[in-house]
Amino acid sequence: DQQVKQNSPSLSVQEGRISILNCDYTNSMFDYFLWYKKYPAEGPTFLISISSIKDKNEDGRFTVFLNKSAKHLSLHIVPSQPGDSAVYFCAASAKETSGSRLTFGEGTQLTVNP
Amino acid sequence: DAGVTQSPTHLIKTRGQQVTLRCSPKSGHDTVSWYQQALGQGPQFIFQYYEEEERQRGNFPDRFSGHQFPNYSSELNVNALLLGDSALYLCASSRILITSGSPLHFGNGTRLTVT
Repeated sequence: DQQVKQNSPSLSVQEGRISILNCDYTNSMFDYFLWYKKYPAEGPTFLISISSIKDKNEDGRFTVFLNKSAKHLSLHIVPSQPGDSAVYFCAASAKETSGSRLTFGEGTQLTVNP
Repeated sequence: DAGVTQSPTHLIKTRGQQVTLRCSPKSGHDTVSWYQQALGQGPQFIFQYYEEEERQRGNFPDRFSGHQFPNYSSELNVNALLLGDSALYLCASSRILITSGSPLHFGNGTRLTVT
């Protein structure tokens, strides 16, 4: 049962343009959503999060949008830079479990071309 | 300020063998969680340790066990290795009072190959 899904295994964009990464979930008990970035041979690093009571959170070039009714969230990166090329994971945590128990999607490989 | 450190970085084992992976949490953190990331998949939660006890467990068989020491470091043990156990094993640390949505800090992982 895949509770968090990232349906696009890969995305390629030009430097300076917008990157939009999508994520869908099924579990209504999720109360926080997080995005992690992962470079090869490194562990995931936290990027940005959003509470289920909000619909938008912004941090510099990164904005996460949450549509609770559609159980969908997206990460926007503007402008995209070559250094953003990495695998991006969407993750969620539920109220009844600790914040250290995350459910991850399969990841999307973002490639930003110079 | 050292982050999460894991050892070894790579390991090759044979089916049926046993393996132990090690993790030292970030300074100030007292909780360790382990994740398994198979090729092409996202990390999957194995279990969480706090105060030297397993507090939560994901959908993994009893062949997967762990331990946490008084200095908060942790070990992940896998017995009777199967080919399907080949994966990147990630350790993440946090403080037990971490609120939902607070970021976990991950190590760089141990790449286990079972032949």
